[in-house]
Amino acid sequence: AQSVSQHNHHVILSEAASLELGCNYSYGGTVNLFWYVQYPGQHLQLLLKYFSGDPLVKGIKGFEAEFIKSKFSFNLRKPSVQWSDTAEYFCAVNGGNTDKLIFGTGTRLQVFP
Amino acid sequence: DTGVSQDPRHKITKRGQNVTFRCDPISEHNRLYWYRQTLGQGPEFLTYFQNEAQLEKSRLLSDRFSAERPKGSFSTLEIQRTEQGDSAMYLCASSLSRQLAPSFGAGTRLSVL
Repeated sequence: AQSVSQHNHHVILSEAASLELGCNYSYGGTVNLFWYVQYPGQHLQLLLKYFSGDPLVKGIKGFEAEFIKSKFSFNLRKPSVQWSDTAEYFCAVNGGNTDKLIFGTGTRLQVFP
Repeated sequence: DTGVSQDPRHKITKRGQNVTFRCDPISEHNRLYWYRQTLGQGPEFLTYFQNEAQLEKSRLLSDRFSAERPKGSFSTLEIQRTEQGDSAMYLCASSLSRQLAPSFGAGTRLSVL
């Protein structure tokens, strides 16, 4: 069965600090990978996705993620965070013959000015 | 693109009552998903439809839960004989194809007293 692990449950940073959120998945076949963000009081929004091709994926708001197949990882990065990046971040995967997304438990990011 | 719409936004009910939620997907999206999210957790898959066919249902889903998508457009999720453990945010998402990440609605927050 597919599963997703997000080891950083709560991250606190100052503005301009660099960010890296970990995501590891378990599935042996071809996968599609996603990062969603949920700002306070808002619905889930897609940050970026990987289906195939270049393993370095760029998303909205300066975020990027790198798919490392050998490590079953899809870590999210941003070189310089802003206060407005305060949100909850979810990694998700689907693979095989199913369309459903399997989500991690999420990482809560707090950015202080 | 008016987004995924869910109704109601909030529902408070007494234990043992039945509740029904509605989801209107983005127009022409043939895939529709239901998820449940509790505090501190990522969205948990419940079921999904392709057009009017229910293609997958979580094994964790009690038989008190039923979902329909009769004409391949809107969908309803019914919970019979609600229990306090059903209190959660119920999310609906839709997509046009597997290569397009699902778009999520704002959710219906259910509180069972």
